[in-house]
Amino acid sequence: QKEVEQNSGPLSVPEGAIASLNCTYSDRGSQSFFWYRQYSGKSPELIMSIYSNGDKEDGRFTAQLNKASQYVSLLIRDSQPSDSATYLCAVHSGNTPLVFGKGTRLSVIA
Amino acid sequence: ETGVTQSPTHLIKTRGQQVTLRCSSQSGHNTVSWYQQALGQGPQFIFQYYREEENGRGNFPPRFSGLQFPNYSSELNVNALELDDSALYLCASSSNPGQRNSPLHFGNGTRLTVT
Repeated sequence: QKEVEQNSGPLSVPEGAIASLNCTYSDRGSQSFFWYRQYSGKSPELIMSIYSNGDKEDGRFTAQLNKASQYVSLLIRDSQPSDSATYLCAVHSGNTPLVFGKGTRLSVIA
Repeated sequence: ETGVTQSPTHLIKTRGQQVTLRCSSQSGHNTVSWYQQALGQGPQFIFQYYREEENGRGNFPPRFSGLQFPNYSSELNVNALELDDSALYLCASSSNPGQRNSPLHFGNGTRLTVT
């Protein structure tokens, strides 16, 4: 069974700091990796996608992928209170459905 | 372009009842996926519809069923509701979910409460 593991948190960081969110996955054949942000009571919103080993930057967000270690992470620079949310890691393998982790709750303290 | 829309936004049902949730896919998208998200959990795949046919199903009992219509909108039906069916039900559409350039974009979800 394909699994995606995340630390449930909460992860607390001060405003302006770097938040680091981590995710591991079990299926070595996984090809596509996504980070979703979910505010309380709302639906998940796609914020990053990454497909190749290395880093991908988009504004304050950087996704990092290491397929050999089956590890994907999300860095949020200059964290803001508005970044406080649950971050879901999701993994795709070929034509199989997207598999989600349980999410990590991030709290940015002003 | 219009995004994915779901209705209703909230619903309260009694154990044993039946419920129908609706989803309108994003323009140009022919595939609809349904997910169930219980409180404190990640979304769990229920099933996917492509061109009106179910083409993938997660570990959910047969009382969870669906339909996709020619305009690619979709319904999720749940019979004999149980308390554990209380969750946020998410619909996502895509043009080809198997390809890397087609990530899932979710609608606002339907919050179902079973009492």
